[in-house]
Amino acid sequence: NAGVTQTPKFRILKIGQSMTLQCTQDMNHNYMYWYRQDPGMGLKLIYYSVGAGITDKGEVPNGYNVSRSTTEDFPLRLELAAPSQTSVYFCASSPVLVSYNEQFFGPGTRLTVL
Amino acid sequence: TQLLEQSPQFLSIQEGENLTVYCNSSSVFSSLQWYRQEPGEGPVLLVTVVTGGEVKKLKRLTFQFGDARKDSSLHITAAQPGDTGLYLCAGGTGYALNFGKGTSLLVTP
Repeated sequence: NAGVTQTPKFRILKIGQSMTLQCTQDMNHNYMYWYRQDPGMGLKLIYYSVGAGITDKGEVPNGYNVSRSTTEDFPLRLELAAPSQTSVYFCASSPVLVSYNEQFFGPGTRLTVL
Repeated sequence: TQLLEQSPQFLSIQEGENLTVYCNSSSVFSSLQWYRQEPGEGPVLLVTVVTGGEVKKLKRLTFQFGDARKDSSLHITAAQPGDTGLYLCAGGTGYALNFGKGTSLLVTP
């Protein structure tokens, strides 16, 4: 099993550009999450999904959008990139509600907005 | 957001030394998880604790959940260079995990 895969690994955007960060998991997990990790700041939840067609905001959703059309895929969309969105983005999945169970993380996407 | 404070922020020790890192909050959590993250990779779960006072051991790592379920500690015995990484605690609050800022550990030979 590949687990959670993310593409691209690295990306540089100009201010105002748009992009989609891809996330795919092959573990048939219902729950999926997007986090951002800034240096020295831990992980902050952006959006999460409890199943196909169902998404909800996390702690820091502004400037991002998500969709969940299939169990496997959970893309994160940046519409108008800003320097404040420079960060490392992690996608994660979990088989059940997170509190008592492991979250499986992808390798991350390092995004720089200039 | 329920805050988790981790200490120390950075720790540099030599191989063979013992160490303890702490995760504290003023809030009660239903569970607490510890993850280790290596450079360029995503976090990987080490342990989940759910009962106040619970102690779990994973080889040379010992994890403890406070009686009031507000704090936790991670003790490493005889640290090895392979223990180098960022150690993150995360508290469960329903649908989400609240992560601490992490303790960056460097173990030198």
